Amino acid sequence: KAGVTQTPRYLIKTRGQQVTLSCSPISGHRSVSWYQQTPGQGLQFLFEYFSETQRNKGNFPGRFSGRQFSNSRSEMNVSTLELGDSALYLCASSLRAGTDYEQYFGPGTRLTVT
Amino acid sequence: SQQGEEDPQALSIQEGENATMNCSYKTSINNLQWYRQNSGRGLVHLILIRSNEREKHSGRLRVTLDTSKKSSSLLITASRAADTASYFCATDPQGGGADGLTFGKGTHLIIQP
Repeated sequence: KAGVTQTPRYLIKTRGQQVTLSCSPISGHRSVSWYQQTPGQGLQFLFEYFSETQRNKGNFPGRFSGRQFSNSRSEMNVSTLELGDSALYLCASSLRAGTDYEQYFGPGTRLTVT
Repeated sequence: SQQGEEDPQALSIQEGENATMNCSYKTSINNLQWYRQNSGRGLVHLILIRSNEREKHSGRLRVTLDTSKKSSSLLITASRAADTASYFCATDPQGGGADGLTFGKGTHLIIQP
């Protein structure tokens, strides 16, 4: 069974631009969560989607948004990029909603904002 | 906010030795999970232990959970060079995962050949 895939793997953007990251979960998984990882703050939860609905959202500004499609693929968007948005963005898929189940992580998208 | 705190921050041992990492957390949990991350890549799930369990094994891994002390430990026996990675504990807070999993900052483990 194919794992979680994320595209692109690397991205360089300029401050003020916007970016869209994509995540394809494991086949049959309906829950997709997004995390931001930085050296200073570590891994922080962004949001979780299940059956095309956002279930939970972490403590991030409204510039961070996401959506999930009927095939469970998910995208996250960051508008008006700031230097501090440089990070590794990880998505994770799970069979069911919530955090009581094993999360399968993708390789991440490394975003650099200059 | 960081719920889990791993200790030590870094650990270097010889191949074949055992490695022990600890995790402390602040609030009541439904479960605690351990993940491994190799050099800035994706996380790999290792073990999930529920709040009503005290110990769990998976291959060379042994995890304990002490809910009275709000702490967990991960033991890797007979370490190998391939075990070199960062190890994170993640907690699922009671009351639902409204904030997703809460990760600690990790223990960086180096296995010397």
